Amino acid sequence: GQQVMQIPQYQHVQEGEDFTTYCNSSTTLSNIQWYKQRPGGHPVFLIQLVKSGEVKKQKRLTFQFGEAKKNSSLHITATQTTDVGTYFCAGIEGSQGNLIFGKGTKLSVKP
Amino acid sequence: DTAVSQTPKYLVTQMGNDKSIKCEQNLGHDTMYWYKQDSKKFLKIMFSYNNKELIINETVPNRFSPKSPDKAHLNLHINSLELGDSAVYFCASSQDPGAAGDNEQFFGPGTRLTVL
Repeated sequence: GQQVMQIPQYQHVQEGEDFTTYCNSSTTLSNIQWYKQRPGGHPVFLIQLVKSGEVKKQKRLTFQFGEAKKNSSLHITATQTTDVGTYFCAGIEGSQGNLIFGKGTKLSVKP
Repeated sequence: DTAVSQTPKYLVTQMGNDKSIKCEQNLGHDTMYWYKQDSKKFLKIMFSYNNKELIINETVPNRFSPKSPDKAHLNLHINSLELGDSAVYFCASSQDPGAAGDNEQFFGPGTRLTVL
């Protein structure tokens, strides 16, 4: 079945440094979603990318969808302590909309 | 008002017991889901229900059974609990996954199940 791989598994940064997490799928995705889960919390939707090569920005967060719609990335500029959490990508598979989650990247930010 | 709610928040029980987790959404969504998040934080979909019909049933043990009394509720019943069932279970809901636009999923707060 479809797999969504995400790296790195963990990332420790100093506050102010940049952070990037990468997501790769074994098959072409119809679209991709990104979620953030704070420690002890639940996943919260950040964004959905649909078009090949699409780039979207939310303040310090930049999301990209690859040209082949098989990979995606989330980049955070100048991390803050409020960015701490686990970031998940999730690929939409087929017409039923089954979300296949990556294993997440856990970000810790040292003040 | 909470969009997706789950009860209980914590559940501690003995091996072999039967338990249920309740989920309700007030968003008017068509589809509801159950996810299991293990100790390594890996999120795996277990079930989804659309208009009271099961449309996805991943390879979970048949000890797990979703029950949907109406479109706003999807409860999870677990029979003969095992140690390996210990995890956080999240309920979620979304509009029709095939619909256009952002079909984001809204997650409940989670239920931490501990089997002793």
